Amino acid sequence: NAGVMQNPRHLVRRRGQEARLRCSPMKGHSHVYWYRQLPEEGLKFMVYLQKENIIDESGMPKERFSAEFPKEGPSILRIQQVVRGDSAAYFCASSPDRGRIGELFFGEGSRLTVL
Amino acid sequence: KQEVTQIPAALSVPEGENLVLNCSFTDSAIYNLQWFRQDPGKGLTSLLLIQSSQREQTSGRLNASLDKSSGRSTLYIAASQPGDSATYLCAVRVQGGSEKLVFGKGTKLTVNP
Repeated sequence: NAGVMQNPRHLVRRRGQEARLRCSPMKGHSHVYWYRQLPEEGLKFMVYLQKENIIDESGMPKERFSAEFPKEGPSILRIQQVVRGDSAAYFCASSPDRGRIGELFFGEGSRLTVL
Repeated sequence: KQEVTQIPAALSVPEGENLVLNCSFTDSAIYNLQWFRQDPGKGLTSLLLIQSSQREQTSGRLNASLDKSSGRSTLYIAASQPGDSATYLCAVRVQGGSEKLVFGKGTKLTVNP
């Protein structure tokens, strides 16, 4: 059972370009969380999704950021018109259900660098 | 709003020493608490998960305790080794809403040979 898969592992974009980060949850997991880790900071919650639904996007910046988790395929975190402040590591985590007692399993992260 | 604090922010110890990392949280309405390890430039490795009804969990040289009423957890590492050098993150799974994990900023541990 493969773990949470994120790609790309590293992404370089120039200011104003778009970044797309992908996350494939563990097999059988239907709940996905995205977190952002800025340099020297802890992980901050961004968004929680189930298949075809955004459940909680309270941690997402209001502009330029969007997320989806379609019926088929990976979850996508999309950042439009990137700025230098978007440079960070973006982590995805999955869980098998809205499991109150369960672990969240994290991917290796995608590291975005904005030039 | 749940806040998680980890003390100390950094710790340097000689090899073989036993050590304790501290984590505190402001709201006791949690489902569980997880300790993670993060190596530089890498992802998160889950070390221990303690359910809110539990007091402690052990795995090898690691022991984590939870006192939900006082909002505290400790991670005890016995006989530390240079390979234990990493950042250790504490996170609580909040009740209600999206039941997300709320993280502390971590303790950066260096074990010197």
